[in-house]
Amino acid sequence: DSGVTQTPKHLITATGQRVTLRCSPRSGDLSVYWYQQSLDQGLQFLIQYYNGEERAKGNILERFSAQQFPDLHSELNLSSLELGDSALYFCASSVGDSPLHFGNGTRLTVT
Amino acid sequence: ILNVEQSPQSLHVQEGDSTNFTCSFPSSNFYALHWYRWETAKSPEALFVMTLNGDEKKKGRISATLNTKEGYSYLYIKGSQPEDSATYLCAFRTGANNLFFGTGTRLTVIP
Repeated sequence: DSGVTQTPKHLITATGQRVTLRCSPRSGDLSVYWYQQSLDQGLQFLIQYYNGEERAKGNILERFSAQQFPDLHSELNLSSLELGDSALYFCASSVGDSPLHFGNGTRLTVT
Repeated sequence: ILNVEQSPQSLHVQEGDSTNFTCSFPSSNFYALHWYRWETAKSPEALFVMTLNGDEKKKGRISATLNTKEGYSYLYIKGSQPEDSATYLCAFRTGANNLFFGTGTRLTVIP
């Protein structure tokens, strides 16, 4: 158990809809990272937060947004969903220079 | 967005064989190189975090080396076992704290 909790595990929704993915980092970890893994693709870095502030942005679409709250949990909001957004979304957390600890992911299916 | 390349993309070896994979990354703005092991239906787990040129790390039958000047790292597995079957990911961390993953090397160890 990595200590990182992601909810929900699975999500099925229709095109055009909006969803929110939630991540609770490991206790004591200040950094939260979001990654997207599409079919046959590697882990695509989306965005990183550190102690409530956006630290780095990767390949994140404008339809996607995220935030990290004072209790350090993070949410990834995906709107105007398209079929191509179907993927496994991972959250990971870390502190300092330590390696990332990954959650089990949220599998999003857009129909 | 930084380019982190891993080769080969996939690899099949016989049980007992030793094997190695390569991770190539930009040699500028280096901060750290991570290796992760990702088993099917699980989330990635950290193997090593390497920061110094010439670093060598070892965990059981798995070891890694790092050359920051030329921008590559090797992961070695000695005497491969079926339980070593997984995707091995490397990730490059910049000074800005982003962590970019390669697409991984998928290892299958045949009993």
